[in-house]
Amino acid sequence: GQQVMQIPQYQHVQEGEDFTTYCNSSTTLSNIQWYKQRPGGHPVFLIQLVKSGEVKKQKRLTFQFGEAKKNSSLHITATQTTDVGTYFCADYGGSQGNLIFGKGTKLSVKP
Amino acid sequence: DGGITQSPKYLFRKEGQNVTLSCEQNLNHDAMYWYRQDPGQGLRLIYYSQIVNDFQKGDIAEGYSVSREKKESFPLTVTSAQKNPTAFYLCASSIGGPPGYEQYFGPGTRLTVT
Repeated sequence: GQQVMQIPQYQHVQEGEDFTTYCNSSTTLSNIQWYKQRPGGHPVFLIQLVKSGEVKKQKRLTFQFGEAKKNSSLHITATQTTDVGTYFCADYGGSQGNLIFGKGTKLSVKP
Repeated sequence: DGGITQSPKYLFRKEGQNVTLSCEQNLNHDAMYWYRQDPGQGLRLIYYSQIVNDFQKGDIAEGYSVSREKKESFPLTVTSAQKNPTAFYLCASSIGGPPGYEQYFGPGTRLTVT
């Protein structure tokens, strides 16, 4: 079945540094969604990308969908301690059209 | 205050016992989902339901059962046949069934089986 690979698994940054997580697939991705899960919490929807080459911004967060729709990225500019958590990408490409989640990138931010 | 509630937050059971996890939503969403999350892993789909009285198996349905008798409720039973039941269980809902809608998650139930 389809797999969504996410790298890196962990990222430790100093507050103010930038952070990027990547989501890759060997097959064409359908609709990419990004979620954030704070420590001890539940995933919260951030954004959905649908079109090839799409770029969306939310304040310090920039989301991109690759031209070939085989990868996506989330970039955070000037991280803050409130950015701590695990970021998941997910694709609506399952055999029954359901969401397939990557394993996530756990971000820690040192003040 | 709309949302998804899951109870209890923590649940402890002995091996060999069935246990039912509750999930209720007041968002008037048609679709509901159950995921399992293990440490360092993404979310894996157990079951989902797009409409009352109908549900489909996800990737890891073995050892689990569900019902959808009401739109707002989607309980999950972890049976004694589930070999590794200790995990964090998340319920979610969306306006419509897949694909394309954002999913809203409940706070989760952390199940420990010893």
